[in-house]
Amino acid sequence: NAGVTQTPKFQVLKTGQSMTLQCAQDMNHEYMSWYRQDPGMGLRLIHYSVGAGITDQGEVPNGYNVSRSTTEDFPLRLLSAAPSQTSVYFCASTDRNLGTDTQYFGPGTRLTVL
Amino acid sequence: AQKVTQAQTEISVVEKEDVTLDCVYETRDTTYYLFWYKQPPSGELVFLIRRNSFDEQNEISGRYSWNFQKSTSSFNFTITASQVVDSAVYFCALGSSWGKLQFGAGTQVVVTP
Repeated sequence: NAGVTQTPKFQVLKTGQSMTLQCAQDMNHEYMSWYRQDPGMGLRLIHYSVGAGITDQGEVPNGYNVSRSTTEDFPLRLLSAAPSQTSVYFCASTDRNLGTDTQYFGPGTRLTVL
Repeated sequence: AQKVTQAQTEISVVEKEDVTLDCVYETRDTTYYLFWYKQPPSGELVFLIRRNSFDEQNEISGRYSWNFQKSTSSFNFTITASQVVDSAVYFCALGSSWGKLQFGAGTQVVVTP
């Protein structure tokens, strides 16, 4: 079991560039989420998915797109990177077995937008 | 709307002292989940505990203990006999049945030898 994996670990972009942050889980979890972590603000939910083909917006969705074509993968797309998107991004998957609702997090992607 | 408040930004203690981290939450849901996560300097998020809203039993796990009080909407976390390895940022989080988490701002714990 690899758990939740994220690639890349580090990325530097120029303003206006686009990119995709990859997230995969091998635990057959239905729910997956993307969060961003900024200093002094904890983690904030960007988008989430309750199953393949179903996604919805979280607290801070602007500037990001997601899709969920398989149970395992939940990529996050930055359409046109801005310096305000400099952050650490965490992907999570949720274990709904027996209603535990415990989220497991990936190692994070540190993104810098110049 | 859900909200989690961790009023303590940073707590500094000397090794072997006890440290208590406060967490106060707001929610209109009758069923919800409370979590504590640890984020060491390496940056990963480590799950510590999950509590259901209908289970107010306190819990102890080694040097860690949690006090859940629905009457005051609090879910406090105590580290007994702190160690240098406990130095980290600790996050309290509130979850709905959809698995979405609302995080507090975090409390930095610094344990010095």
